[in-house]
Amino acid sequence: GAGVSQTPSNKVTEKGKYVELRCDPISGHTALYWYRQSLGQGPEFLIYFQGTGAADDSGLPNDRFFAVRPEGSVSTLKIQRTERGDSAVYLCASSLYAGGGSEQYFGPGTRLTVT
Amino acid sequence: KQEVTQIPAALSVPEGENLVLNCSFTDSAIYNLQWFRQDPGKGLTSLLLIQSSQREQTSGRLNASLDKSSGRSTLYIAASQPGDSATYLCAVIQGAQKLVFGQGTRLTINP
Repeated sequence: GAGVSQTPSNKVTEKGKYVELRCDPISGHTALYWYRQSLGQGPEFLIYFQGTGAADDSGLPNDRFFAVRPEGSVSTLKIQRTERGDSAVYLCASSLYAGGGSEQYFGPGTRLTVT
Repeated sequence: KQEVTQIPAALSVPEGENLVLNCSFTDSAIYNLQWFRQDPGKGLTSLLLIQSSQREQTSGRLNASLDKSSGRSTLYIAASQPGDSATYLCAVIQGAQKLVFGQGTRLTINP
């Protein structure tokens, strides 16, 4: 079946603009995760959803970042008033359920560049 | 706060050699540990997942071990091939569902 997909694959925006990044999880997966990966670093956790609700948003760096998953499937990560420091690859993952034994499957990522 | 460290940061070996990548973590209260592969400009591909109650997992030429008490995991790659060249990341998961990643080991296999 289809894996996790993310759109767009690349996004270039000007400082101060608003962007939305989309994630389509694997069908039937109830848990969805967002991570951010800066150049040369491992991914860092941002937020995860169990169903429609954000179960843990402790990784969101500030209130310019927000994510939704209104129907428990597709999720959108929203960044307001973008800054150059937001430039990174944003990765989405999904798992069958939210539990330590459930493997997370990653999408190809969205490369965000803020100029 | 959980911290994950991978050593070495980069490794270059000739084709055919067996090699070991190391991962250490500071808090042994983990649910599982996962090894990933990342090719340049690509997402993460899961290689092996070891549950906290397990000692090792094997898939083809890959073998991953876990020693929770000492906070260590190793990824063993047998008979390395140029196609194994990639960045290898380990990550642990704890009470929350988030993965905590190391910085990765960039592996180059020379033909």
